[in-house]
Amino acid sequence: EAQVTQNPRYLITVTGKKLTVTCSQNMNHEYMSWYRQDPGLGLRQIYYSMNVEVTDKGDVPEGYKVSRKEKRNFPLILESPSPNQTSLYFCASSSLERGFTGELFFGEGSRLTVL
Amino acid sequence: QKEVEQDPGPLSVPEGAIVSLNCTYSNSAFQYFMWYRQYSRKGPELLMYTYSSGNKEDGRFTAQVDKSSKYISLFIRDSQPSDSATYLCAMDEYGNKLVFGAGTILRVKS
Repeated sequence: EAQVTQNPRYLITVTGKKLTVTCSQNMNHEYMSWYRQDPGLGLRQIYYSMNVEVTDKGDVPEGYKVSRKEKRNFPLILESPSPNQTSLYFCASSSLERGFTGELFFGEGSRLTVL
Repeated sequence: QKEVEQDPGPLSVPEGAIVSLNCTYSNSAFQYFMWYRQYSRKGPELLMYTYSSGNKEDGRFTAQVDKSSKYISLFIRDSQPSDSATYLCAMDEYGNKLVFGAGTILRVKS
């Protein structure tokens, strides 16, 4: 089954404790992206990657890191989480084979709480 | 001012009604326009995609883009309780940085 898998789905952590949210897709997609979703603000892009070893900042990259060492994986790293990073996080992927089609495939989301 | 504005609702309609959802935007360079649907506790899924201006129809759904007014719409005909969800508009300039609206909550009552 074609899917984007995120882990963990739920996490409560404390300020300053480094954490990684993993994202893996099995569709051989070139494009991957991370979003955070907050009430009233919608989905905001954190980072995106057009292919392996190619990453770029989105609109809200502060406090986050990413890497794209393999095509299928795109982990999101919070080196020193703060309470303002409490949010619902989504990973998404898309094929670029036939150009832009508007279709992002989203994971189920990871709800992160930073105390 | 946000780049994409969308009324959060909630919008509550009876089953069978025609629903109109809208977004306005400020960046005239946007050329890709999408509508995503998000059910509770799920990730968004693509509903409609339009390139540049014009209309697109798919079953009960019609998407309209008016670039001169910087205004996009999604119409749902014969709405069903299963259409109850949050609808997100999204736009992109180059095809790599989608900008989403905040989403409109739709409730269709049977």
